[in-house]
Amino acid sequence: KAGVTQTPRYLIKTRGQQVTLSCSPISGHRSVSWYQQTPGQGLQFLFEYFSETQRNKGNFPGRFSGRQFSNSRSEMNVSTLELGDSALYLCASSLATGTYEQYFGPGTRLTVT
Amino acid sequence: GDSVTQMEGPVTLSEEAFLTINCTYTATGYPSLFWYVQYPGEGLQLLLKATKADDKGSNKGFEATYRKETTSFHLEKGSVQVSDSAVYFCALSRYNTDKLIFGTGTRLQVFP
Repeated sequence: KAGVTQTPRYLIKTRGQQVTLSCSPISGHRSVSWYQQTPGQGLQFLFEYFSETQRNKGNFPGRFSGRQFSNSRSEMNVSTLELGDSALYLCASSLATGTYEQYFGPGTRLTVT
Repeated sequence: GDSVTQMEGPVTLSEEAFLTINCTYTATGYPSLFWYVQYPGEGLQLLLKATKADDKGSNKGFEATYRKETTSFHLEKGSVQVSDSAVYFCALSRYNTDKLIFGTGTRLQVFP
């Protein structure tokens, strides 16, 4: 069974641009969560989606948004990029919310210059 | 709010040494507790979990016991290998949510 897939793996953007990251969960998984990982702030929760509905949102500005499609694939968007948005963005999927077994993708490394 | 505190790293050990990485949490009620491991250039992998007080999670020789009285979930391994070198994250979540709150991570370096 294929794991969680994230595309692209690496991305370089300029300050002020916007970016869209994609996450394909494991087949059959309906819950997707996103995290931002930086050396300074560590791992921080961004969003949680289940059956196309956002169930939880972390403490991030409105420039960070996300959505989930009917096939459970998820995207997150960051508008008006800032240098501080440079990070590894991780996606995780699970069968259903609260089932405890989450599987993480390899992440998308975003660099903002 | 909920939080997780884990010991600063790096932890440097020789192969076959005993490992302890401390983790304490602050949360009301009974969160579920996890240890995740991140190898260089990879995402996170669930190492073990415990969902209620006094539960012991174990996997690949690693163990951790959910201690409600001390709000702790310390990770232990009796004999580490070079291949265990990675960053270890302690985390908690609440019932009916996938939202994880992570500690800062502890880098483990094991030398032959």
